[in-house]
Amino acid sequence: QSALTQPASVSGSPGQSITISCTGTSSDVGSYNLVSWYQQHPGKAPKLMIYEVSKRPSGVSNRFSGSKSGNTASLTISGLQAEDEADYYCCSYAGSSTPWVFGGGTKLTVL
Amino acid sequence: EVQLVESGGGLVQPGGSLKLSCAASGFTFSGSAMHWVRQASGKGLEWVGRIRSKANSYATAYAASVKGRFTISRDDSKNTAYLQMNSLKTEDTAVYYCTRHPLTIFGVANWFDPWGQGTLVTVSS
Repeated sequence: QSALTQPASVSGSPGQSITISCTGTSSDVGSYNLVSWYQQHPGKAPKLMIYEVSKRPSGVSNRFSGSKSGNTASLTISGLQAEDEADYYCCSYAGSSTPWVFGGGTKLTVL
Repeated sequence: EVQLVESGGGLVQPGGSLKLSCAASGFTFSGSAMHWVRQASGKGLEWVGRIRSKANSYATAYAASVKGRFTISRDDSKNTAYLQMNSLKTEDTAVYYCTRHPLTIFGVANWFDPWGQGTLVTVSS
């Protein structure tokens, strides 16, 4: 099972919006609404930001939103803030053989 | 507060073994599926494997890269999950995170929350 494909880096200025894509296949992202997104600051553990494609856990800012079209899921962050600068990873269910696959990660830089 | 604390990491020679522990608190451990995810330095996250609850027969699943070498187990009486790593290779060097699929009113969730702080495993001669 190959990793999901994410851009290596994205950047934006404070207040702007950015979108991070996560491309899989019809065997993972395209077949299940079980995509989640994680934020990871340097030296820290990942933190859940979005689950089941577009749902936001309690305590996560509504500036974070998720969506999916076909084999590609997306994470959008609006009103960029300095503290959003981190690595972001998508994850999808991929079937019973190797159930979970992550994306390669995207480094978000807030200019 | 829901908390996961990993321990047991360290330096081991190629071909050696190591057993990691994940101590859980603040939630119904016995009902949750427990997972291990690793991250090599400067690299992305890689799912390693999981163990389901007793209600789901303690079913395990593993990534192809560790299948046959790693074994996940759990002791619900101690609220602890384990990762036994055998025949270790240099490419197994990584921070190993413990995380869970929480049990919700709708059943076992399909997202990872929370994560432990991780424990570093270094495989080197």
